Amino acid sequence: EAGVVQSPRYKIIEKKQPVAFWCNPISGHNTLYWYLQNLGQGPELLIRYENEEAVDDSQLPKDRFSAERLKGVDSTLKIQPAELGDSAVYLCASSLLAGQGDTQYFGPGTRLTVL
Amino acid sequence: AQSVTQLGSHVSVSEGALVLLRCNYSSSVPPYLFWYVQYPNQGLQLLLKYTSAATLVKGINGFEAEFKKSETSFHLTKPSAHMSDAAEYFCAVSASNQGGKLIFGQGTELSVKP
Repeated sequence: EAGVVQSPRYKIIEKKQPVAFWCNPISGHNTLYWYLQNLGQGPELLIRYENEEAVDDSQLPKDRFSAERLKGVDSTLKIQPAELGDSAVYLCASSLLAGQGDTQYFGPGTRLTVL
Repeated sequence: AQSVTQLGSHVSVSEGALVLLRCNYSSSVPPYLFWYVQYPNQGLQLLLKYTSAATLVKGINGFEAEFKKSETSFHLTKPSAHMSDAAEYFCAVSASNQGGKLIFGQGTELSVKP
């Protein structure tokens, strides 16, 4: 069974440019998460989807970040415009359900460098 | 609110030695606790999780962790370190009533010396 797929794996852009990350979760997983991982730190949740609905986006900086999960399968996270401080790894994860004990499966991440 | 503290950002052991990575949590409700491992340039992989069943949890690759409510701890151990265990380890607590949102610690980098 394929795991969580993310692309691109690496992205280098100049500040003020837009950037988008794509995630395809494990087949059948209803819940999808986007996490931000700064260097030397643990991941922090940006947004959580249950099917098509964003049920927790309280940590998403909405002035520049946006996300969508059309048809409740794959998802795109966008930053426009990017800032130097956005350099980090963006992780996507999925789980079968949204329960407290459900295992989240992580993709390899997209490493963003903003110059 | 839940939180996790990992004591020691970097731990170094010799091959064959005991591995002990420390994790303390804070939670106002019974927690679900997780240990994940991250190899360089890879995503996180679940090692084990505690979901209120047995307090001693066995995971993959010979790792285990013990939930101690009185100490609010969930330390990760392995009797004998292998070179392949060198990686970053994250402890996480699942936030109650928040759809499984994980709150991670800062991580502990494990180095294994030959």
